[in-house]
Amino acid sequence: DAKTTQPPSMDCAEGRAANLPCNHSTISGNEYVYWYRQIHSQGPQYIIHGLKNNETNEMASLIITEDRKSSTLILPHATLRDTAVYYCIVTNSGYSTLTFGKGTMLLVSP
Amino acid sequence: GAVVSQHPSRVICKSGTSVKIECRSLDFQATTMFWYRQFPKKSLMLMATSNEGSKATYEQGVEKDKFLINHASLTLSTLTVTSAHPEDSSFYICSAAGDFTEAFFGQGTRLTVV
Repeated sequence: DAKTTQPPSMDCAEGRAANLPCNHSTISGNEYVYWYRQIHSQGPQYIIHGLKNNETNEMASLIITEDRKSSTLILPHATLRDTAVYYCIVTNSGYSTLTFGKGTMLLVSP
Repeated sequence: GAVVSQHPSRVICKSGTSVKIECRSLDFQATTMFWYRQFPKKSLMLMATSNEGSKATYEQGVEKDKFLINHASLTLSTLTVTSAHPEDSSFYICSAAGDFTEAFFGQGTRLTVV
């Protein structure tokens, strides 16, 4: 699986949009970009995934650049409960082994 | 999303004893289950992958005789930590993959060996 690079931490004010970047310059054509998050002392939670096109669901939006070498997860209106570690993972299948990097610690403040 | 239930959520055991952790997919059939371990302030590290009815595949450095994995049905996998020692204290997390495009995770088990 391709390696990903994320900033170690980010801050966001409650109610604002949180934009979490991820670089995956070695991604190959059949690999998807997945985002999970882990709230302290809980198991990871699936957020969203995409291949080429931008995706949106009830939790977030995923913007993938045209060359697919980077992506951005957008939480449109961050709340305190969105404080978590966010992991960007590149893999060729949702059934495959997920390799977790260090992720981005997002702190949402009042 | 689909629900994966892990039990117990936390357990304290004496050094030298064995502990069993269960991972159940409640509303789907999990053809593959994964077991991870997470130390404080660290990321998740994959321990093993198991397919229903087959022997688990362990990652390099994970002792298969110490961490026994059973995946006897499409809804249940168990991880048994045998002869636990304090260094086995960790957060253990399972995930399950079925006929979906994403895997779902249990809530994790905090193991403390005293």
